[in-house]
Amino acid sequence: DTGVSQDPRHKITKRGQNVTFRCDPISEHNRLYWYRQTLGQGPEFLTYFQNEAQLEKSRLLSNRFSAERPKGSFSTLEIQRTEQGDSAMYLCASRPSSTDTQYFGPGTRLTVL
Amino acid sequence: GNSVTQMEGPVTLSEEAFLTINCTYTATGYPSLFWYVQYPGEGLQLLLKATKADDKGSNKGFEATYRKETTSFHLEKGSVQVSDSAVYFCALASGGSYIPTFGRGTSLIVHP
Repeated sequence: DTGVSQDPRHKITKRGQNVTFRCDPISEHNRLYWYRQTLGQGPEFLTYFQNEAQLEKSRLLSNRFSAERPKGSFSTLEIQRTEQGDSAMYLCASRPSSTDTQYFGPGTRLTVL
Repeated sequence: GNSVTQMEGPVTLSEEAFLTINCTYTATGYPSLFWYVQYPGEGLQLLLKATKADDKGSNKGFEATYRKETTSFHLEKGSVQVSDSAVYFCALASGGSYIPTFGRGTSLIVHP
Protein backbone atom coordinates (compact mmCIF):
# COMPACT_ATOMS: atom_id res chain seq x y z
CA ASP A 1 0.00 0.00 0.00
CA THR A 2 1.74 3.17 -1.17
CA GLY A 3 0.84 6.27 0.75
CA VAL A 4 0.74 9.87 -0.33
CA SER A 5 4.06 10.97 -1.81
CA GLN A 6 5.43 14.47 -2.30
CA ASP A 7 8.32 15.72 -4.35
CA PRO A 8 10.71 17.28 -3.62
CA ARG A 9 11.08 16.77 0.12
CA HIS A 10 13.20 19.89 0.48
CA LYS A 11 13.54 22.98 -1.68
CA ILE A 12 15.82 25.94 -1.15
CA THR A 13 15.27 28.89 -3.44
CA LYS A 14 16.10 32.55 -3.71
CA ARG A 15 13.50 35.24 -3.23
CA GLY A 16 11.71 36.03 -6.46
CA GLN A 17 12.10 32.57 -8.00
CA ASN A 18 9.20 30.29 -8.92
CA VAL A 19 8.85 26.86 -7.36
CA THR A 20 6.58 23.91 -8.09
CA PHE A 21 5.74 21.00 -5.82
CA ARG A 22 4.11 17.73 -6.75
CA CYS A 23 1.77 15.49 -4.78
CA ASP A 24 0.77 11.95 -5.71
CA PRO A 25 -2.25 10.85 -3.67
CA ILE A 26 -3.29 7.32 -2.83
CA SER A 27 -4.60 5.98 -6.12
CA GLU A 28 -8.28 5.50 -5.29
CA HIS A 29 -8.62 8.81 -3.42
CA ASN A 30 -10.62 11.38 -5.34
CA ARG A 31 -10.23 14.22 -2.78
CA LEU A 32 -6.91 16.06 -2.47
CA TYR A 33 -5.92 18.86 -0.09
CA TRP A 34 -2.96 21.22 0.23
CA TYR A 35 -1.89 22.76 3.54
CA ARG A 36 0.87 25.02 4.80
CA GLN A 37 2.49 24.44 8.17
CA THR A 38 4.84 26.86 9.87
CA LEU A 39 6.95 26.14 12.93
CA GLY A 40 4.88 25.73 16.06
CA GLN A 41 1.57 25.82 14.22
CA GLY A 42 -0.92 23.30 12.97
CA PRO A 43 -1.51 22.83 9.25
CA GLU A 44 -3.48 25.62 7.59
CA PHE A 45 -5.77 24.78 4.71
CA LEU A 46 -4.83 26.17 1.28
CA THR A 47 -6.98 24.44 -1.33
CA TYR A 48 -9.07 21.36 -2.05
CA PHE A 49 -9.80 19.27 -5.16
CA GLN A 50 -12.49 16.77 -5.89
CA ASN A 51 -11.17 14.84 -8.86
CA GLU A 52 -9.84 17.56 -11.21
CA ALA A 53 -12.12 20.31 -9.92
CA GLN A 54 -10.69 22.85 -7.49
CA LEU A 55 -13.65 23.36 -5.16
CA GLU A 56 -12.31 25.57 -2.40
CA LYS A 57 -9.45 28.00 -1.90
CA SER A 58 -8.38 29.64 1.32
CA ARG A 59 -7.82 33.37 1.64
CA LEU A 60 -4.24 32.34 2.45
CA LEU A 61 -3.83 31.38 -1.20
CA SER A 62 -2.64 34.64 -2.70
CA ASN A 63 -2.56 35.23 -6.45
CA ARG A 64 1.07 34.09 -6.46
CA PHE A 65 -0.11 30.58 -5.62
CA SER A 66 -1.76 28.26 -8.11
CA ALA A 67 -2.69 24.61 -7.85
CA GLU A 68 -3.78 22.12 -10.46
CA ARG A 69 -4.92 18.55 -10.65
CA PRO A 70 -5.27 18.12 -14.41
CA LYS A 71 -6.30 14.48 -14.64
CA GLY A 72 -7.72 14.01 -11.19
CA SER A 73 -4.66 12.12 -10.05
CA PHE A 74 -1.46 13.96 -9.08
CA SER A 75 -1.52 17.64 -8.18
CA THR A 76 0.97 20.49 -8.42
CA LEU A 77 1.29 23.61 -6.29
CA GLU A 78 3.20 26.49 -7.83
CA ILE A 79 4.41 29.57 -6.00
CA GLN A 80 5.51 32.47 -8.19
CA ARG A 81 7.89 35.22 -7.12
CA THR A 82 8.61 33.55 -3.80
CA GLU A 83 8.95 35.66 -0.66
CA GLN A 84 10.70 34.84 2.60
CA GLY A 85 7.31 34.56 4.25
CA ASP A 86 6.54 31.59 2.00
CA SER A 87 9.11 29.50 3.90
CA ALA A 88 7.11 26.66 5.43
CA MET A 89 6.27 22.99 5.15
CA TYR A 90 3.73 22.32 2.39
CA LEU A 91 1.61 19.29 3.09
CA CYS A 92 -0.62 17.29 0.78
CA ALA A 93 -3.35 14.94 1.93
CA SER A 94 -5.91 12.76 0.19
CA ARG A 95 -9.01 10.80 1.08
CA PRO A 96 -11.67 8.73 -0.62
CA SER A 97 -15.24 10.05 -0.71
CA SER A 98 -16.35 7.30 1.67
CA THR A 99 -14.52 8.61 4.74
CA ASP A 100 -13.62 11.87 6.47
CA THR A 101 -10.12 10.62 7.32
CA GLN A 102 -7.27 12.30 5.46
CA TYR A 103 -3.95 10.64 4.72
CA PHE A 104 -0.99 12.97 4.72
CA GLY A 105 2.21 12.95 2.73
CA PRO A 106 5.61 13.70 4.29
CA GLY A 107 5.57 17.29 3.10
CA THR A 108 7.86 19.56 1.11
CA ARG A 109 9.95 21.93 3.20
CA LEU A 110 10.49 25.22 1.39
CA THR A 111 13.20 27.66 2.42
CA VAL A 112 13.27 31.03 0.68
CA LEU A 113 16.56 32.88 1.10
CA GLY B 1 -16.22 29.68 12.51
CA ASN B 2 -14.59 26.48 13.68
CA SER B 3 -11.66 26.54 16.06
CA VAL B 4 -9.58 24.14 18.15
CA THR B 5 -7.68 24.99 21.31
CA GLN B 6 -5.00 22.70 22.66
CA MET B 7 -2.95 22.93 25.81
CA GLU B 8 0.44 24.45 25.22
CA GLY B 9 3.52 22.32 25.36
CA PRO B 10 5.96 20.95 25.70
CA VAL B 11 4.60 18.28 27.96
CA THR B 12 7.51 16.46 29.57
CA LEU B 13 6.93 13.10 31.25
CA SER B 14 8.88 10.15 32.50
CA GLU B 15 8.33 6.77 30.89
CA GLU B 16 5.21 4.95 32.20
CA ALA B 17 3.60 8.19 33.39
CA PHE B 18 -0.05 9.03 32.66
CA LEU B 19 -0.68 11.43 29.80
CA THR B 20 -3.48 13.92 29.24
CA ILE B 21 -3.45 16.50 26.45
CA ASN B 22 -6.46 18.79 26.61
CA CYS B 23 -8.40 19.81 23.51
CA THR B 24 -11.54 21.91 23.29
CA TYR B 25 -13.35 23.04 20.20
CA THR B 26 -15.89 25.46 18.79
CA ALA B 27 -17.92 24.32 15.83
CA THR B 28 -21.28 24.58 14.16
CA GLY B 29 -23.18 21.38 13.71
CA TYR B 30 -21.77 18.00 14.60
CA PRO B 31 -18.14 17.75 13.58
CA SER B 32 -15.92 14.70 13.51
CA LEU B 33 -12.98 14.98 15.90
CA PHE B 34 -9.46 13.72 15.33
CA TRP B 35 -6.08 13.36 16.91
CA TYR B 36 -3.11 13.34 14.56
CA VAL B 37 0.50 12.61 15.54
CA GLN B 38 3.63 13.92 13.86
CA TYR B 39 6.86 12.11 14.66
CA PRO B 40 10.13 13.97 14.05
CA GLY B 41 10.84 14.31 10.34
CA GLU B 42 7.59 12.67 9.28
CA GLY B 43 4.15 13.70 8.04
CA LEU B 44 0.97 13.70 10.09
CA GLN B 45 -0.61 10.35 10.84
CA LEU B 46 -4.13 9.80 12.07
CA LEU B 47 -3.98 8.49 15.63
CA LEU B 48 -7.69 8.18 16.40
CA LYS B 49 -11.02 9.75 15.67
CA ALA B 50 -14.63 9.97 16.87
CA THR B 51 -17.60 10.93 14.75
CA LYS B 52 -20.42 11.51 17.25
CA ALA B 53 -21.06 12.45 20.84
CA ASP B 54 -19.91 9.94 23.48
CA ASP B 55 -17.89 7.96 20.93
CA LYS B 56 -14.47 6.88 22.16
CA GLY B 57 -11.62 6.68 19.70
CA SER B 58 -8.67 4.48 20.61
CA ASN B 59 -5.41 3.34 19.07
CA LYS B 60 -1.98 2.24 20.34
CA GLY B 61 -3.07 2.69 23.95
CA PHE B 62 -4.31 6.24 23.35
CA GLU B 63 -7.95 7.16 23.95
CA ALA B 64 -10.16 10.19 23.54
CA THR B 65 -13.90 10.61 24.16
CA TYR B 66 -16.12 13.02 22.19
CA ARG B 67 -17.79 15.15 24.89
CA LYS B 68 -20.41 17.39 23.32
CA GLU B 69 -21.52 18.90 26.63
CA THR B 70 -18.03 20.22 27.35
CA THR B 71 -16.96 20.51 23.66
CA SER B 72 -13.83 18.55 24.48
CA PHE B 73 -11.78 15.69 23.05
CA HIS B 74 -8.93 15.16 25.51
CA LEU B 75 -6.21 12.67 24.61
CA GLU B 76 -5.12 10.18 27.28
CA LYS B 77 -2.70 7.32 27.64
CA GLY B 78 -2.15 5.30 30.77
CA SER B 79 1.57 4.63 30.38
CA VAL B 80 3.68 6.58 27.90
CA GLN B 81 6.82 5.30 26.23
CA VAL B 82 9.86 7.12 24.89
CA SER B 83 8.66 6.25 21.38
CA ASP B 84 5.50 8.34 21.99
CA SER B 85 7.61 11.51 21.85
CA ALA B 86 6.04 13.53 19.04
CA VAL B 87 3.75 16.48 18.34
CA TYR B 88 0.04 15.79 18.76
CA PHE B 89 -2.60 17.77 16.86
CA CYS B 90 -6.28 17.91 17.70
CA ALA B 91 -8.56 18.64 14.75
CA LEU B 92 -12.19 18.83 13.74
CA ALA B 93 -13.92 18.53 10.39
CA SER B 94 -17.47 19.05 9.24
CA GLY B 95 -19.44 19.70 6.12
CA GLY B 96 -19.21 17.93 2.81
CA SER B 97 -15.63 18.92 2.05
CA TYR B 98 -14.38 17.85 5.50
CA ILE B 99 -11.70 20.49 5.55
CA PRO B 100 -10.15 20.04 8.99
CA THR B 101 -9.32 22.81 11.41
CA PHE B 102 -6.21 21.98 13.42
CA GLY B 103 -5.02 23.10 16.81
CA ARG B 104 -1.49 24.44 17.21
CA GLY B 105 -0.12 21.10 18.34
CA THR B 106 1.28 19.92 21.66
CA SER B 107 4.81 18.58 21.85
CA LEU B 108 5.26 15.53 24.07
CA ILE B 109 8.71 14.59 25.35
CA VAL B 110 9.06 11.32 27.21
CA HIS B 111 12.26 10.64 29.15
CA PRO B 112 13.53 7.14 30.02
